[in-house]
Parts: sequence; structure tokens; C-alpha cells
Amino acid sequence: GAGVSQSPSNKVTEKGKDVELRCDPISGHTALYWYRQSLGQGLEFLIYFQGNSAPDKSGLPSDRFSAERTGGSVSTLTIQRTQQEDSAVYLCASSPLRSYNEQFFGPGTRLTVL
Amino acid sequence: KNEVEQSPQNLTAQEGEFITINCSYSVGISALHWLQQHPGGGIVSLFMLSSGKKKHGRLIATINIQEKHSSLHITASHPRDSAVYICAVEGGPTGGADGLTFGKGTHLIIQP
Repeated sequence: GAGVSQSPSNKVTEKGKDVELRCDPISGHTALYWYRQSLGQGLEFLIYFQGNSAPDKSGLPSDRFSAERTGGSVSTLTIQRTQQEDSAVYLCASSPLRSYNEQFFGPGTRLTVL
Repeated sequence: KNEVEQSPQNLTAQEGEFITINCSYSVGISALHWLQQHPGGGIVSLFMLSSGKKKHGRLIATINIQEKHSSLHITASHPRDSAVYICAVEGGPTGGADGLTFGKGTHLIIQP
């Protein structure tokens, strides 16, 4: 069906609040990736899922960041006690298989922490 | 960690010119991706390649695994090609994929 969708498209929050970002991958795609795009750092990898499991969480910038995926489909990225440096566009991508396949990117969620 | 370098960082050209954007990386990879991002827009995958050359319309991507280098070419460039082009690599010495490592992008402007 449709491409990768993300919600919300924009999120403004106050420092110290928790936020949840949602990603709906393309139906049937087993691999799901979270990336972050910020002015100072460019694009950086955060975490990937193969099915519901996340073999490598080393890209998460701190223990305030966590992610889960349920039913091999929807994924949620949670940022606890947000800081101003968390402000960025959070991108989700999905792929039919884990490795060496084209990745389809969602439109992103623009997070602004005041 | 793989270091991905792109050049040039910025490129302005006239409509119709042949465009080349270069990408080099420091550690052996399994695949290389070329991505396109329009201002205020999302990211679109242009190519994924692990060897040789791929062509799609006016776009051509090549990779030399031994030299750890890839190029993206645009023939007969058009103002609608104006965008940021991003090189990203996948995989490495340990094998497997753990997400993409990105270059900083090349900001291309094609003037009419």
C-alpha cells in the first residue's frame, strides 16, 4: 500500500518532557530503521529492527532513548526527559529484508525541544 | 567506524551540464546507497550498489570497491535536479548491516 508513514509530523515539547514518535513501515517489510537528522550532526543511525528484535542498540545517543516494535510492524521511538540537543528530524525507514536492500524513508517527525 | 567523505559539498551548475558527485569511504563495505533530499522534502533512495554501475534515466552511479570510491553522475542536468545528494554505506568488515553511515551531502543547484 502506501509508503512509510510517521506521526506526528511536528512535535514541540518542553525540556524534561517525554515524547513518543511513531513509525508505520511499508506492509511486509521486515527491517525497520530509525535515523536522526540534525543541523550539527547530519544524518545518523539510531537503531534497527529485524522483525520485533533490535540486535544493535549502540546507535542510541543515551539511555533516555528507547525503541520498540510490535507485531513486526509499527515502531515507537521514545525519548525521556527531552533535552534541547534532542531537537532534530527523526526519520524512519523500512526495507523488505535486513541487509543490502533499498530503504524506503518516511517523511520524518520534526522535534523541537524548548 | 566508517568515514564517508563527499565532494564537492556545494555545486552550482547551468542547466544541461554533466554533473559528478564523489564519495569515498574508509572501510570495506557491503553496499553503498545514493539518496536524494529536496529542500523541505523527504529522502528518496536513488541507487543501492555493491559493484559496477547502475543507470536510471539520466542518473548513473558507479562504484570501485578496491578504491573505496563511488560517483554519482547526472547527464543533461535540469533545475528539478536541485537537491542534496547523500552517499551512505552499509555493512563492513564484520559483515551484516547495522544501518547506514552517511556522508554530509552535496548541495546541488542547477540554474536555468
